[in-house]
Amino acid sequence: QSALTQPRSVSGSPGQSVTISCTGTSSDVGGYKYVSWYQQHPGKAPKLMIYDVSKRPSGVPDRFSGSKSGNAASLIISGLQAEDEADYYCCSYAGTYNYVFGTGTKVTVL
Amino acid sequence: QVQLVESGGGVVQPGGSLRLSCAASGFTFSSYVMHWVRQAPGKGLEWVAVISYNGSNKNYADSVKGRFTISRDNSKNTLYVQMDSLREEDTAVYYCARPSGTYSSDPFDYWGQGNMVTVSS
Repeated sequence: QSALTQPRSVSGSPGQSVTISCTGTSSDVGGYKYVSWYQQHPGKAPKLMIYDVSKRPSGVPDRFSGSKSGNAASLIISGLQAEDEADYYCCSYAGTYNYVFGTGTKVTVL
Repeated sequence: QVQLVESGGGVVQPGGSLRLSCAASGFTFSSYVMHWVRQAPGKGLEWVAVISYNGSNKNYADSVKGRFTISRDNSKNTLYVQMDSLREEDTAVYYCARPSGTYSSDPFDYWGQGNMVTVSS
């Protein structure tokens, strides 16, 4: 149950795109199509942004997208906005009643 | 609307015990798997425990296995976690979370407000 690996921080100017990687193993990210991404602002509960690798819940802007290749997943934020500045966490299903989060990435809007 | 309200947090000495509760409303509680997720101060999210819709299946993170017990009372729409042999590294905000659907693989869609547990002498 080792945490998935994410970069500690990424940054971009308003309007730019940023990509957050999430690297796991064949037992989690690589083995299932159940990767989700969460946005967390300081002092707030996490918010689901992407599920099942690339699906967006209702209400999440379409500038948030997800993908996966092998043991690595990615969250792409296009057209970066000031309100996107937050911490982001990936999470993968890892088999029957097993789950693992990523280490978290701080997104800074310059 | 879905609401999850945690209670029971506080300060406890190392080796002590605490029970957190999560009162659920706005949905059919007995139909959903439920989770506990925690976040140590300044740290990332850590999945802690899961319980099936009827309580027959449970699983835990290695870091709490043998010390924490997740349970539920579907007649009271309430989720619990009994935390024993607490360590300083258990200090965290504890969230209860409900998935978007009724499958165990469904993502965490609804979260409580979080409840702080501090383990300190």
